[in-house]
Amino acid sequence: AQSVTQLGSHVSVSEGALVLLRCNYSSSVPPYLFWYVQYPNQGLQLLLKYTSAATLVKGINGFEAEFKKSETSFHLTKPSAHMSDAAEYFCAVSDVNSGYALNFGKGTSLLVTP
Amino acid sequence: KAGVTQTPRYLIKTRGQQVTLSCSPISGHRSVSWYQQTPGQGLQFLFEYFSETQRNKGNFPGRFSGRQFSNSRSEMNVSTLELGDSALYLCASTVGRNTGELFFGEGSRLTVL
Repeated sequence: AQSVTQLGSHVSVSEGALVLLRCNYSSSVPPYLFWYVQYPNQGLQLLLKYTSAATLVKGINGFEAEFKKSETSFHLTKPSAHMSDAAEYFCAVSDVNSGYALNFGKGTSLLVTP
Repeated sequence: KAGVTQTPRYLIKTRGQQVTLSCSPISGHRSVSWYQQTPGQGLQFLFEYFSETQRNKGNFPGRFSGRQFSNSRSEMNVSTLELGDSALYLCASTVGRNTGELFFGEGSRLTVL
């Protein structure tokens, strides 16, 4: 069965600092990997996705993630945090065995301080 | 292009009642998925519909059901509500084959008293 682990339920960074949100997955077949963002009282928005093409994936709002099969990781980064980046971030995995239903991590709340 | 629209946005029910939630996908999208979000369990997959057929189902009791109409609009129903059903119910759509790249609505927040 597939699963996702997000290390750190809360991450705090200063404005302008590097953002690093960690995600590790398990899947017995080639996975599709995603990062979604959720702002308060809103639904989820896709930030980026990995679907077996390039291992370094660029998304919206300056975010990117690197798929590392050897480490079963898909960490999300952004070089310089902005106040508007404060939100809840979810890593998710899907694969053929799950019928491509998304299996989400527990989420990481990002706080950006001035 | 309008996004995924969910109604109602907020509702309060009492234990034992039933509830129906509605979802209108993005125009042209034929796949609709439903997810439940709670503080304790996080985001969990309920089911997916494509062309009026349930294509995939999560691990929820039979009290949770859904359907999809010919115009791709979808409804989900929860019968005999329990306190634990209090959650944000999120609907998401995609064009055809679901690979996980979904467009989510803002959700329907259900409170069961």
